[in-house]
Amino acid sequence: SAVISQKPSRDICQRGTSLTIQCQVDSQVTMMFWYRQQPGQSLTLIATANQGSEATYESGFVIDKFPISRPNLTFSTLTVSNMSPEDSSIYLCSVDRVRGETQYFGPGTRLLVL
Amino acid sequence: TQLLEQSPQFLSIQEGENLTVYCNSSSVFSSLQWYRQEPGEGPVLLVTVVTGGEVKKLKRLTFQFGDARKDSSLHITAAQPGDTGLYLCAGARGSSNTGKLIFGQGTTLQVKP
Repeated sequence: SAVISQKPSRDICQRGTSLTIQCQVDSQVTMMFWYRQQPGQSLTLIATANQGSEATYESGFVIDKFPISRPNLTFSTLTVSNMSPEDSSIYLCSVDRVRGETQYFGPGTRLLVL
Repeated sequence: TQLLEQSPQFLSIQEGENLTVYCNSSSVFSSLQWYRQEPGEGPVLLVTVVTGGEVKKLKRLTFQFGDARKDSSLHITAAQPGDTGLYLCAGARGSSNTGKLIFGQGTTLQVKP
């Protein structure tokens, strides 16, 4: 398994501001993923973050809105830019241990935008 | 687009009852994972099934991967209030090297004492 931490665990932000979410893993991993989840609903993949290359974004998500950094094999950040109430959600990072077979998730960051 | 149809979406049962959650697709997956998520936490991996026809048991939970690797089921025997949570299935596409998973819509289970 993998131990994954996220900061902050929750935040309340004002419209138009930006929030950077950190994801730290206890060991080196190749692939990290960022998801968004509405309460009680399933997960939507935002992007894949690989060390040493640009993040790969899913349809409907763009780098200007969700810039991602992956400076090393144990850390990544996701920024939610120019926030609106529609960005209120849970943001989760995950890591891939055995490619395509096992992903482990962080505890999530609960974001409320007023 | 490959989809995983998960059913039912909501389930409210009494303690001691049995239940089955289904994940179906028209596409083949190289593996399928089941997760449980409790409020305020991230999804926790329960099991990964890889081989068509595979059956795995985790205490009162039984997971099955269809012979054609297009569907899976989760059966819980004698459900307990501690089983309450959001259950998610997720499939991996073996032909892709991206490591991405496709998630079902989720099943919210409530087990009443």
